[in-house]
Amino acid sequence: KQEVTQIPAALSVPEGENLVLNCSFTDSAIYNLQWFRQDPGKGLTSLLLIQSSQREQTSGRLNASLDKSSGRSTLYIAASQPGDSATYLCAVKPNTGNQFYFGTGTSLTVIP
Amino acid sequence: KAGVTQTPRYLIKTRGQQVTLSCSPISGHRSVSWYQQTPGQGLQFLFEYFSETQRNKGNFPGRFSGRQFSNSRSEMNVSTLELGDSALYLCASSLDPGGDEQYFGPGTRLTVT
Repeated sequence: KQEVTQIPAALSVPEGENLVLNCSFTDSAIYNLQWFRQDPGKGLTSLLLIQSSQREQTSGRLNASLDKSSGRSTLYIAASQPGDSATYLCAVKPNTGNQFYFGTGTSLTVIP
Repeated sequence: KAGVTQTPRYLIKTRGQQVTLSCSPISGHRSVSWYQQTPGQGLQFLFEYFSETQRNKGNFPGRFSGRQFSNSRSEMNVSTLELGDSALYLCASSLDPGGDEQYFGPGTRLTVT
């Protein structure tokens, strides 16, 4: 069974810093990996989707990389802002089935 | 295009009761998945429906069930509620089971007392 781990569980940084969130998974037979953002009590907002054949995806200040062979993905956030404060979740979709396996999330606080 | 909608947004029930939650996917999306989110277990997959058929099921007891209608709207039902069923229930839709991205609704917050 796919296990997804996110480190650190919580992170607090001053505004303007660049930061990296980590996601690791145990089974490299994935179809894609998706990063989500969740604000308190709310649903999930998709940030970036990386196909298994891709190495990275970028959207604005966000860059996600994927190293399938080592079972790792990172989400890089440049020039962090207080509005980036949220929980960030990574999820992997296996080659079979439409189910996502989610990590436990990293709670990010950006201090003004 | 409207997003995924879930009703109700908040629900308080008593132990032993049953509850039905509803999810309307994005127009044109035919696959609906349900997830349970709790502080202790994180996000866990409940089941997935496509063309009114359950295609995948997570590791949950039979008290959790669901269905999908011809218009792709889906409902999930939890019978004989337990305190541990208190959670945020999230619905996600995608074009079809092979769809790349899942789009999530705002969730239904269920509290069992």
